[in-house]
Amino acid sequence: AQSVTQLGSHVSVSEGALVLLRCNYSSSVPPYLFWYVQYPNQGLQLLLKYTSAATLVKGINGFEAEFKKSETSFHLTKPSAHMSDAAEYFCAVSGENRDDKIIFGKGTRLHILP
Amino acid sequence: EPEVTQTPSHQVTQMGQEVILRCVPISNHLYFYWYRQILGQKVEFLVSFYNNEISEKSEIFDDQFSVERPDGSNFTLKIRSTKLEDSAMYFCASSEQGGPYNEQFFGPGTRLTVL
Repeated sequence: AQSVTQLGSHVSVSEGALVLLRCNYSSSVPPYLFWYVQYPNQGLQLLLKYTSAATLVKGINGFEAEFKKSETSFHLTKPSAHMSDAAEYFCAVSGENRDDKIIFGKGTRLHILP
Repeated sequence: EPEVTQTPSHQVTQMGQEVILRCVPISNHLYFYWYRQILGQKVEFLVSFYNNEISEKSEIFDDQFSVERPDGSNFTLKIRSTKLEDSAMYFCASSEQGGPYNEQFFGPGTRLTVL
């Protein structure tokens, strides 16, 4: 069955520091993987997605994620955190049939410390 | 930039009452979805809708739930007789085409509180 696990419901980093948000997936088929971001009072916005092309995926706002099949991981990183990065981040995986369903993790709230 | 909108932003209702959550998808999109997130839990898929019919629904989407596209712009989720456990944030999404290759654009959500 398809699932994702996000480690840490809250992560705090200092402004300018590396951001690392962890996600591990379980999939019975080669997965499509996603990271979404939700800013306060806004909808979920796609940051980036992996669709079996390059394993290192670059997204918006300087974020990137690396697909590691051996570790079943898809961690999200950004070299230097900015105050505007404070938001909730959701890792997600496609449904088993690669249909429309997206299966989300619980989310990680990123706090940026000045 | 086109966006998905949802109304109301917050709905409070009594247990057993019917509620209708409204969504206006992006105008040229053909695929529509509802998800929900109970506080502190995962965002869960409820239903997908295409060509005026349900494409897929989850176990959560029981007979108390229904979806409709009553006109060319709105996409609604109706809960016929709300339960306490229906309290959640409900997200509408739309995409131009179906499948995971195509981005789903999400609305800001409606927070439903059932008392």
